[in-house]
Amino acid sequence: SAVISQKPSRDICQRGTSLTIQCQVDSQVTMMFWYRQQPGQSLTLIATANQGSEATYESGFVIDKFPISRPNLTFSTLTVSNMSPEDSSIYLCSAGGVGVEQFFGPGTRLTVL
Amino acid sequence: TQLLEQSPQFLSIQEGENLTVYCNSSSVFSSLQWYRQEPGEGPVLLVTVVTGGEVKKLKRLTFQFGDARKDSSLHITAAQPGDTGLYLCAGSNAGNMLTFGGGTRLMVKP
Repeated sequence: SAVISQKPSRDICQRGTSLTIQCQVDSQVTMMFWYRQQPGQSLTLIATANQGSEATYESGFVIDKFPISRPNLTFSTLTVSNMSPEDSSIYLCSAGGVGVEQFFGPGTRLTVL
Repeated sequence: TQLLEQSPQFLSIQEGENLTVYCNSSSVFSSLQWYRQEPGEGPVLLVTVVTGGEVKKLKRLTFQFGDARKDSSLHITAAQPGDTGLYLCAGSNAGNMLTFGGGTRLMVKP
């Protein structure tokens, strides 16, 4: 299994600003993903972070709002741009190898005022 | 679009009781995973089932994958307060993409 860390663990931001969330994996992984989760609810996939190419976004999520970087096989960032209160949520990154299992980071709890 | 429906959404039981959580879909999945999540943490993988009809046991937890690989169940025997959390099923097909169920919030009261 992979150990995944995220920074920051939580933040409170003002409307209209942007926040970049970092995800670090302790080993090289093939796949990295970003999810959003409302407290107590299930996970919604935002995008697959592709190493060396543009991320693949799910329906309802666009690159201008959620730009993603993945410069190598152990690191990825998700930026939440031009934030509004509706963006308040928990953002999770996950990593997977050649198998089907995904391992999750602890999440970043974002509150937008 | 593949959908996974979990039931029940909420479950509050006394310590020592048994419970079953269901995960159903009209779609076939190549594998299905169960996760448990506690507040302030990310989901933690409990088990992966890949073969239709497969049953896996993890101490007091029993996981079953349906014969047609469209449904799964999680049974907990003699629940303990430490079992409290959000239980999530997730189905997987090509590309290592996961489709998550809506989750079951379990509270076990001492």
